[in-house]
Amino acid sequence: NAGVTQTPKFRVLKTGQSMTLLCAQDMNHEYMYWYRQDPGMGLRLIHYSVGEGTTAKGEVPDGYNVSRLKKQNFLLGLESAAPSQTSVYFCASSWNGTATRSGANVLTFGAGSRLTVL
Amino acid sequence: AQSVTQLGSHVSVSEGALVLLRCNYSSSVPPYLFWYVQYPNQGLQLLLKYTTGATLVKGINGFEAEFKKSETSFHLTKPSAHMSDAAEYFCAVRPYGGSQGNLIFGKGTKLSVKP
Repeated sequence: NAGVTQTPKFRVLKTGQSMTLLCAQDMNHEYMYWYRQDPGMGLRLIHYSVGEGTTAKGEVPDGYNVSRLKKQNFLLGLESAAPSQTSVYFCASSWNGTATRSGANVLTFGAGSRLTVL
Repeated sequence: AQSVTQLGSHVSVSEGALVLLRCNYSSSVPPYLFWYVQYPNQGLQLLLKYTTGATLVKGINGFEAEFKKSETSFHLTKPSAHMSDAAEYFCAVRPYGGSQGNLIFGKGTKLSVKP
């Protein structure tokens, strides 16, 4: 029962390099999200998706792009990495359901991807 | 804009003592409320949630939280701390009418438990 899997777990980039973080979930969840976590800042939503082929901006989308070509995968891309993007990135997924459904509104998180941009 | 305030970035208690982690939100309409826990080098996992109904919510590992509308609070408590409770705790709200996953997180409270 894998849940949400993120790859890679660690990555070091030089300023200006590009990379893609992959998130995969095996729970058939409709919604998927990318958050970043910085010390003393909590979690901030970067982008999210409510279904295959759809994406939307969150609180801090600048410098990132996303794609949801398959329901189970959600990719986060950095086209030109900057030191300000040094962070721990978390992917999460959830059901698209009403509040009466037991799993509604509950996010399942991956273990995180630690990115350092030099 | 909605906001979540967690009082105290670090809380230290002795093993067996009461745990109280504070969370206040700003909203004119009661939102959905959550507490998540993050153990070192892991992702977040749900402790408990309040959506509707009973205002005292019980979660995993002996934690509970009470929604108090008049105080716009959702404080997390546990009667007796255990060493395994050492972790970072995040309060989160989903604004009323907001999309799932568009949670607003507090900045977190790191709980230390002394033997």
